[in-house]
Amino acid sequence: QKEVEQNSGPLSVPEGAIASLNCTYSDRGSQSFFWYRQYSGKSPELIMSIYSNGDKEDGRFTAQLNKASQYVSLLIRDSQPSDSATYLCAVIQGAQKLVFGQGTRLTINP
Amino acid sequence: NAGVMQNPRHLVRRRGQEARLRCSPMKGHSHVYWYRQLPEEGLKFMVYLQKENIIDESGMPKERFSAEFPKEGPSILRIQQVVRGDSAAYFCASSPGIDEKLFFGSGTQLSVL
Repeated sequence: QKEVEQNSGPLSVPEGAIASLNCTYSDRGSQSFFWYRQYSGKSPELIMSIYSNGDKEDGRFTAQLNKASQYVSLLIRDSQPSDSATYLCAVIQGAQKLVFGQGTRLTINP
Repeated sequence: NAGVMQNPRHLVRRRGQEARLRCSPMKGHSHVYWYRQLPEEGLKFMVYLQKENIIDESGMPKERFSAEFPKEGPSILRIQQVVRGDSAAYFCASSPGIDEKLFFGSGTQLSVL
């Protein structure tokens, strides 16, 4: 079982719709969770962090965490073509080791 | 406040040569991480360092790869006797402390001919 799992996609969503990205993790002791966005040929950039069960909203982005199910998700509302990128789920394991999933490629269709 | 600085941006080496990748963390950050990314794949953890200490090197290949973060100067990822399979993007990230967000550099694209 992979430490952090994501559906690699590609995921296609029409412009203006909600994009839903999912991630599961194996280490039940993990407490810190992050979503990074990576454009092709660029470095990852942090878009959301979440530490407690429930929802956390920041603009068009909502992160959701369910520690009992070991599941974290990212919702993007009113999707824009500029949201087209690879989204990486990351989980801190052990003493500050940040482990990434393989990423989900998202395409927003105008 | 400059971001995480990596150099060179692109590095070309022939098989058997050595590659040295440099990373200067953000000001005030004492935690440095190195990741490797192959095309169409996620980021693979390699090593986590604090000043003068290797904290976790569980992702580093046992041979040819080494990393350091000296008291003065940048962190260095060193790959000896490179092979074609070492060709990848190598990203450095830094954070100010434990459980803090990571900020990434622009990466070094290593190409082995």
